[in-house]
Amino acid sequence: QSALTQPASVSGSPGQSITISCTGTSSDIGGYNYVSWYQQHPGKAPKLMISEVSYRPSGVSNRFSGSKSGNTASLTISGLQADDEADYYCISYTSSSPYVVFGGGTKLTVL
Amino acid sequence: QVQLQESGPGLVKPSETLSLTCTVSGGSISTYYWFWIRQSAGKGLECIGRIYTTGVSNYNPSLKSRVTMSVDTSKNQFSLKLTSVTAADTAIYYCARQLQYYSGMDVWGQGTTVTVSS
Repeated sequence: QSALTQPASVSGSPGQSITISCTGTSSDIGGYNYVSWYQQHPGKAPKLMISEVSYRPSGVSNRFSGSKSGNTASLTISGLQADDEADYYCISYTSSSPYVVFGGGTKLTVL
Repeated sequence: QVQLQESGPGLVKPSETLSLTCTVSGGSISTYYWFWIRQSAGKGLECIGRIYTTGVSNYNPSLKSRVTMSVDTSKNQFSLKLTSVTAADTAIYYCARQLQYYSGMDVWGQGTTVTVSS
């Protein structure tokens, strides 16, 4: 079970938009619309930001949006704020046990 | 609102068994999927496995030979046992909830640090 591929780091200035990619295969991202994104601040548990590719749970800012094309899912953060600086992880449903596969994580730096 | 709390020893000796429990409060453990996920220092998240409230479990193939998960609906708890631990099993261990097999993990515990050392 190979991990999903994310860039190790991305950066942006306050107010800008950034996009984090998450690449998998037809057995996970490409085969299902079941990708979720998580934000993790240092010393904290991950927080669900996007579910099922583009669904934003209650309480999550509309500056966060998700999309998918083929085997690649993307998380876009618009209007970057200092508090967005964190690690971001993607997770996809996959056809093999344990039926989830994780991305390696992306460190977002707000310049 | 639903909250999860991990509990168990913070220190385990090499070759022994790591045992953790996740207690679900503010809601029922029934009809959902429950995960154990760990994170080594400075590393990414690793799925250990999941268990449904019927007791059906699925494990990460790389850990499958050492992992057992169980659920106790009467106590609103689920548990993890990891045998023959080594220093490589030192990590923060999180429990998390998944509403449907396809949805995101919407509730997480705060995490508990487990160190494997003699």
